[in-house]
Amino acid sequence: SAVISQKPSRDICQRGTSLTIQCQVDSQVTMMFWYRQQPGQSLTLIATANQGSEATYESGFVIDKFPISRPNLTFSTLTVSNMSPEDSSIYLCSVVGQGALGTEAFFGQGTRLTVV
Amino acid sequence: QKEVEQNSGPLSVPEGAIASLNCTYSDRVSQSFFWYRQYSGKSPELIMSIYSNGDKEDGRFTAQLNKASQYVSLLIRDSQPSDSATYLCAVNVYNNDMRFGAGTRLTVKP
Repeated sequence: SAVISQKPSRDICQRGTSLTIQCQVDSQVTMMFWYRQQPGQSLTLIATANQGSEATYESGFVIDKFPISRPNLTFSTLTVSNMSPEDSSIYLCSVVGQGALGTEAFFGQGTRLTVV
Repeated sequence: QKEVEQNSGPLSVPEGAIASLNCTYSDRVSQSFFWYRQYSGKSPELIMSIYSNGDKEDGRFTAQLNKASQYVSLLIRDSQPSDSATYLCAVNVYNNDMRFGAGTRLTVKP
């Protein structure tokens, strides 16, 4: 299993500012995933963060808006830049590993972002 | 077409009834299928995984997979109020990234 520590757990930010979310994993993993979950919606993959290379972004998400760092195999950050109220959401980091039921996705506790 | 589609719900069942949740996926090469439960304000937690055609039972939960029809379902027997949550169907497409359905909100009424 993997334990992911994500912070901050929540924040209220002014529009036009940026917020950096951190995720620390208790084991080395090749890929880390960043998801957004808007109110009442499911998880949408933002990007896949690979150590030593540029993150891979999904359609609709760009590096200028959501820059990602992956300095080593246990840590990643996601920055939400130039925020607007539409960025209000829960952001989750995730890794895939072996759990009690086999391969599964493990999640951080989530960051609840409110942009005012 | 969305990669993973679920019956959107919400679904409401009385306590003790069977709750049936359905999911279809578009990528035929998908090999791994998962059901996650997410309580409000919490991160998703894995409750069932299934990899081969047929049924897989774990306690009150049964996952069913039909690869020919690209269909996955979750049955919850003897539903309890504590089962009230959003259930997410997920498919492992490639490179270990998970694609999630929109989720089905289940309410079990006492």
